[in-house]
Amino acid sequence: AQKVTQAQTEISVVEKEDVTLDCVYETRDTTYYLFWYKQPPSGELVFLIRRNSFDEQNEISGRYSWNFQKSTSSFNFTITASQVVDSAVYFCALSDSGNTPLVFGKGTRLSVIA
Amino acid sequence: ETGVTQTPRHLVMGMTNKKSLKCEQHLGHNAMYWYKQSAKKPLELMFVYNFKEQTENNSVPSRFSPECPNSSHLFLHLHTLQPEDSALYLCASSQAGLPTTQYFGPGTRLTVL
Repeated sequence: AQKVTQAQTEISVVEKEDVTLDCVYETRDTTYYLFWYKQPPSGELVFLIRRNSFDEQNEISGRYSWNFQKSTSSFNFTITASQVVDSAVYFCALSDSGNTPLVFGKGTRLSVIA
Repeated sequence: ETGVTQTPRHLVMGMTNKKSLKCEQHLGHNAMYWYKQSAKKPLELMFVYNFKEQTENNSVPSRFSPECPNSSHLFLHLHTLQPEDSALYLCASSQAGLPTTQYFGPGTRLTVL
């Protein structure tokens, strides 16, 4: 079964705080990709990162970091020193060999307050 | 132009109108997708095309009619829509095959009066 769960519906933080967005996934495949997308108010889904199932190294890109843990089927996303421009809806997604090419979580709406 | 483009970005139409949404990808991909995103609803996959052939239709009403003339272009023809069809329509492209990375266009925000 393919499933992605983002338990946090909405998060609000004050600028410069760190924030972690949670993502838990389910798949029967051993080969799969995990993604994070950002959707700002303009609407476009912006690709942030892809991680394949064989690479459990954590990744850091500027203020963004991702923690992939197969043992807990989680792929969490942390924004360090958040900024107002980080305000958006963030989607975690899964692609495996299943019926749906890309399975999305319901998204987490992040509001960063100045 | 690079990436995935969609036109128009905004569209207002009456229930009796016929209109078309256009998507174009400049990434050399061979799979294209239509998604619908309604307020407070998760992203819904509508159609999938691989190498110009439709491979998925997620029980979409016939008032939505997709067309994929080549691997770079995808259309969504709209006719006799309902107000509940008002939504953001997103196009995406990728290489065919699974697993895959999809790249999205900016979307068309559709309002049906």
